[in-house]
Amino acid sequence: GENVEQHPSTLSVQEGDSAVIKCTYSDSASNYFPWYKQELGKRPQLIIDIRSNVGEKKDQRIAVTLNKTAKHFSLHITETQPEDSAVYFCAARTSGGSYIPTFGRGTSLIVHP
Amino acid sequence: DAGITQSPRHKVTETGTPVTLRCHQTENHRYMYWYRQDPGHGLRLIHYSYGVKDTDKGEVSDGYSVSRSKTEDFLLTLESATSSQTSVYFCATQETGGEKLFFGSGTQLSVL
Repeated sequence: GENVEQHPSTLSVQEGDSAVIKCTYSDSASNYFPWYKQELGKRPQLIIDIRSNVGEKKDQRIAVTLNKTAKHFSLHITETQPEDSAVYFCAARTSGGSYIPTFGRGTSLIVHP
Repeated sequence: DAGITQSPRHKVTETGTPVTLRCHQTENHRYMYWYRQDPGHGLRLIHYSYGVKDTDKGEVSDGYSVSRSKTEDFLLTLESATSSQTSVYFCATQETGGEKLFFGSGTQLSVL
């Protein structure tokens, strides 16, 4: 099955700095890579996703990049704000079989004012 | 958020007792999932359902069973709760052909 590794487990930045979270996956058949944000005490919610036919996707201050050859993808947050503080989960889903994504272990992002 | 309700929101129980968590959705989504969330482990899939009475095991299914008799309800049962099952449990749904998961608000379960 798919295996997703996520790093770092904790990331501390100053407000206004950029933050980068990296994930690697094992199954070359994976073709969909979502990112979920979970604020403290809340449910995870999808913030951005990318498919294997695209190398990069942006949405305001967040972007995701995908390197299929190296089997890794990253979340980039620019101009971080305190409200970006949360746990971020990456996931990967294969093109065949079930629609179930495999999640990474999460990154706790702390943005200091 | 996608009309997903989990109950109860919090539960404290004793080792060896049965516990049932309920997930109710009003979106008519075909797929439903139960995850547990533990520090350092992220979201781990317990069981999932791809339709009424169609369920299958996830990566951490030991000690858990599920049932789905109606599209809108997905029940997770701990037959005999153990302390290792203390966790936050999330239900999620997904529509047919869709990719996004919609999560419920979670159930905090403590097994003493």
